[in-house]
Amino acid sequence: QPVVTQEPSFSVSPGGTVTLTCALSYRSVSISNYPSWYQQAPGQAPRTLIFNTNTRSSGVPDRFSGSILGTKAALTITGAQAEDESDYYCVVYVGDGHLFGGGTRLTVL
Amino acid sequence: QVQLQESGPGLVKPSETLSLTCSVSGGSIMSYYWTWIRQPAGKGLEWMGRVYSTGSTNYSPSLKSRLTMSVDTSRNQIFLSLASVTAADTAFYYCARVRSYEFDSWGQGILVTVSS
Repeated sequence: QPVVTQEPSFSVSPGGTVTLTCALSYRSVSISNYPSWYQQAPGQAPRTLIFNTNTRSSGVPDRFSGSILGTKAALTITGAQAEDESDYYCVVYVGDGHLFGGGTRLTVL
Repeated sequence: QVQLQESGPGLVKPSETLSLTCSVSGGSIMSYYWTWIRQPAGKGLEWMGRVYSTGSTNYSPSLKSRLTMSVDTSRNQIFLSLASVTAADTAFYYCARVRSYEFDSWGQGILVTVSS
């Protein structure tokens, strides 16, 4: 069973830039895995940020961007704000199904 | 804008079957995949499986033996059935629409506790 790995936690200063990554256990993440990213605030349902590697969902600020960096999918927040403090999950499409990463807890301080 | 609402029992006894309904409003369930995702309290999200509007399904290998998903297009509803539950199945359960390869609309989730 493939596993998707994310950094368990990350910290960024307000106004700073942070890149979260998403790795697949048995091979590189590619655009054919259609990586997507979700933000989940405490007690809330997840919100879609990025899909199809680098397409922002409607209403998502342009400080959020997605890409493939080397062998991993990546979510970059440029100019982090206090409200970006959340859990972030990547999802990759593998075979006939989806796999979630374990999530990254982002602290803005 | 499509809205999703999960419903069902909040408490299920061990070894019994967990059954949930996802009611969709503001759009048709036709021509989309619909998925169920769960999240134990304080833990990460887990993809459980997906069902197409025709009834075709794909399940997570780890749940496949216990999981059934179905749809009722006349009622615009999606169903989840998870058999032989244990305490490990206690979680928030979310339904979501799969637009292309992403989950573009989510329900608010429902907490299901497995306990005697």
